[in-house]
Amino acid sequence: GQNIDQPTEMTATEGAIVQINCTYQTSGFNGLFWYQQHAGEAPTFLSYNVLDGLEEKGRFSSFLSRSKGYSYLLLKELQMKDSASYLCAVREGNDMRFGAGTRLTVKP
Amino acid sequence: DAMVIQNPRYQVTQFGKPVTLSCSQTLNHNVMYWYQQKSSQAPKLLFHYYDKDFNNEADTPDNFQSRRPNTSFCFLDIRSPGLGDAAMYLCATSGHSGGLYNEQFFGPGTRLTVL
Repeated sequence: GQNIDQPTEMTATEGAIVQINCTYQTSGFNGLFWYQQHAGEAPTFLSYNVLDGLEEKGRFSSFLSRSKGYSYLLLKELQMKDSASYLCAVREGNDMRFGAGTRLTVKP
Repeated sequence: DAMVIQNPRYQVTQFGKPVTLSCSQTLNHNVMYWYQQKSSQAPKLLFHYYDKDFNNEADTPDNFQSRRPNTSFCFLDIRSPGLGDAAMYLCATSGHSGGLYNEQFFGPGTRLTVL
């Protein structure tokens, strides 16, 4: 089985940088995904890591360390529209398991 | 635009009255999923199909059933909804490559209220 842990809530200021951490325990790791979910809406895919290192995609970057069971999502130049929940999801085989998400609030 | 569609967006049913939620996709993906998500919780996988191959999660109650008549459509049937089944139900699809399922594309969800 999998344990996926993320902070419940975070607050940051518009224009700043925020890092959302995710730790996991799994047997048979097969990739880690980050999704964004605005309140009352469906999750949308942000990034995917399967090898160690940093994946950059515009203002968003995601990092993975498989040996540590650790990932983070880095959001730069925060905008008000980035206020949302960010879900870490781990694929074990073909089974995808989601964390409970980190609710990010961006303040002016 | 290729997409995942769920109908209705909001569904109200009575305690014990069967209800069916619908999902369709134009992505031509092999894999379709149903998730249950309650407020401030992780989406919980109920089951998924790989083509017509049905995969039930071990802890999904028997009250939940699913049908996939063709590639495009998938249905979630709740036979006797209880108050605890009130939640957002998310349908998702994914393609696959190299034997692995790719990232998931979610529909907008159906919010179910049980009275």
